[in-house]
Amino acid sequence: ETGVTQSPTHLIKTRGQQVTLRCSSQSGHNTVSWYQQALGQGPQFIFQYYREEENGRGNFPPRFSGLQFPNYSSELNVNALELDDSALYLCASSLLGGTGVTGELFFGEGSRLTVL
Amino acid sequence: AQSVTQLGSHVSVSEGALVLLRCNYSSSVPPYLFWYVQYPNKGLQLLLKYTSAATLVKGINGFEAEFKKSETSFHLTKPSAHMSDAAEYFCAVGFTGGGNKLTFGTGTQLKVEL
Repeated sequence: ETGVTQSPTHLIKTRGQQVTLRCSSQSGHNTVSWYQQALGQGPQFIFQYYREEENGRGNFPPRFSGLQFPNYSSELNVNALELDDSALYLCASSLLGGTGVTGELFFGEGSRLTVL
Repeated sequence: AQSVTQLGSHVSVSEGALVLLRCNYSSSVPPYLFWYVQYPNKGLQLLLKYTSAATLVKGINGFEAEFKKSETSFHLTKPSAHMSDAAEYFCAVGFTGGGNKLTFGTGTQLKVEL
């Protein structure tokens, strides 16, 4: 049991809609990262939050945004959904943060988003 | 820029046989290297990591990997496969200053047969 929980586990949206995915990090972890895993692919880094601020971003457009709360939980928001946004969205928490040494990531089981 | 190549999207071995999953990386700075395992409908779990200490890294469940700078490789091995090892395995690379931004390979599905 990793301690990272994500909700919802599955959801279906239509093109143009907006979605919010939620993540509770493992107790004591101050860093949350979000990854997108398309079918048959490896996870791709979306962004990282450390102490409530985004401090690293992958190659994703601005319609992907996020928040981290004082209790270190996090949200991923995606606006103007496109068909290619269909994927498993993984949240990972870590004890080490900032841009320093990459620490061990603890992944949740993901939220599977289908865009029709 | 960093990248990871996993050779073989599917690998099949007999129970008790050697497991060898291949990973080659590209990095312009000294890398941190990881192997993660993903069981169906589950998140990823860290098997082992290389962070510039010993080049032979031992992980959980009997897995190990050797960092070979000259070959830019970080292959994953296990001497004797077990049915419970059937899963998808991902190699990933990170670097100091990159935080938790890992670049993952496309994965290798391991099948273990009786």
